Amino acid sequence: NAGVTQTPKFQVLKTGQSMTLQCAQDMNHEYMSWYRQDPGMGLRLIHYSVGAGITDQGEVPNGYNVSRSTTEDFPLRLLSAAPSQTSVYFCASSTTGIMSQPQHFGDGTRLSIL
Amino acid sequence: ILNVEQSPQSLHVQEGDSTNFTCSFPSSNFYALHWYRWETAKSPEALFVMTLNGDEKKKGRISATLNTKEGYSYLYIKGSQPEDSATYLCASHLYSGGGADGLTFGKGTHLIIQP
Repeated sequence: NAGVTQTPKFQVLKTGQSMTLQCAQDMNHEYMSWYRQDPGMGLRLIHYSVGAGITDQGEVPNGYNVSRSTTEDFPLRLLSAAPSQTSVYFCASSTTGIMSQPQHFGDGTRLSIL
Repeated sequence: ILNVEQSPQSLHVQEGDSTNFTCSFPSSNFYALHWYRWETAKSPEALFVMTLNGDEKKKGRISATLNTKEGYSYLYIKGSQPEDSATYLCASHLYSGGGADGLTFGKGTHLIIQP
């Protein structure tokens, strides 16, 4: 079982460049989310989606866009990369949007902005 | 802003010893408390999800308790083994009454088991 798949695993960008971090899950999960992990901080929620066509902002949404055109895919877009967006990004999914379900995490994307 | 605090930040334990650590969270409007185990170079893996005051969960040598009235949860590891070395994350969800929202994570407890 693939679970939650994130691509790429590593990426280096220059300031001002744009890119899309891909996230796909094959478990038919309704809920998907993006977190970022920075040194000395807990995982922080960027955006989330409770189903296809529905997205909403988390704690740190600025500089990021998301869309959810299918149940399986939840890409995260950086429109104009900034050094402050250097981080490790994790995608997660769960069966429903109710937070009593465990989250399944991808392996992460390590992103460096120069 | 919802804060989830974990203590201690790091912990060194001798192999075979038992240990525990704490997660504290705001008790108002509580909905769920999650524990995850996060090994280096891997992704976080769910251990427990607890929703009821007094809940106790167990998986092998690892167990957890929940006190929603005072806003804390304990994670216990009995007879620590080297493979228990990892960062243990807790996260809480504050029910918004509307959308699904997400989890707020603590910074984790980094556990090192010394042979």
